[in-house]
Amino acid sequence: KAGVTQTPRYLIKTRGQQVTLSCSPISGHRSVSWYQQTPGQGLQFLFEYFSETQRNKGNFPGRFSGRQFSNSRSEMNVSTLELGDSALYLCASSEAAPEGYGYTFGSGTRLTVV
Amino acid sequence: GQNIDQPTEMTATEGAIVQINCTYQTSGFNGLFWYQQHAGEAPTFLSYNVLDGLEEKGRFSSFLSRSKGYSYLLLKELQMKDSASYLCAGLNQAGTALIFGKGTTLSVSS
Repeated sequence: KAGVTQTPRYLIKTRGQQVTLSCSPISGHRSVSWYQQTPGQGLQFLFEYFSETQRNKGNFPGRFSGRQFSNSRSEMNVSTLELGDSALYLCASSEAAPEGYGYTFGSGTRLTVV
Repeated sequence: GQNIDQPTEMTATEGAIVQINCTYQTSGFNGLFWYQQHAGEAPTFLSYNVLDGLEEKGRFSSFLSRSKGYSYLLLKELQMKDSASYLCAGLNQAGTALIFGKGTTLSVSS
């Protein structure tokens, strides 16, 4: 079974630009969630999608948005990039109920904002 | 809030046993996860506790006390490859988000 695939692996953007990150979940997984990981704050929840519906959103500004497609693939978008958005963005997928085995994470997209 | 606290760093020697503690506010979580993350890699699932007690899985065990808001991960017969960050995470009641602690970096030396 293929794992969670995130593209691109690395990205360098300039302040003020926008960026779109992509995540393909494990086949059959309908829940996709996104996390931001920084050295100072650790892993912080961004949002979660299930069957194309956002079920939960973390405490991030509106510049962070996402969506999920009918094939469960998901994208997240960050507009008007700031230096503080530099981070590892991790996508995770699970079956409908994550209890028991939790989420499977992708290798992440390393975003650097200069 | 739903803060999760764990020590920042720990060190141990090969062959030893180490216990990584995690404390959290007692309400708001539907189970507790432990993940391992090697530098530059994705977090990988280690264990999940939803009921009180000890779950054993090979060299790794995890314990949960819901009334005390306390969990620990026990690693036995430490190996150099166990050097990694260990993340404690609570699953929110709706089952839609993991709330992570900041992670414990474990360094295993020979």
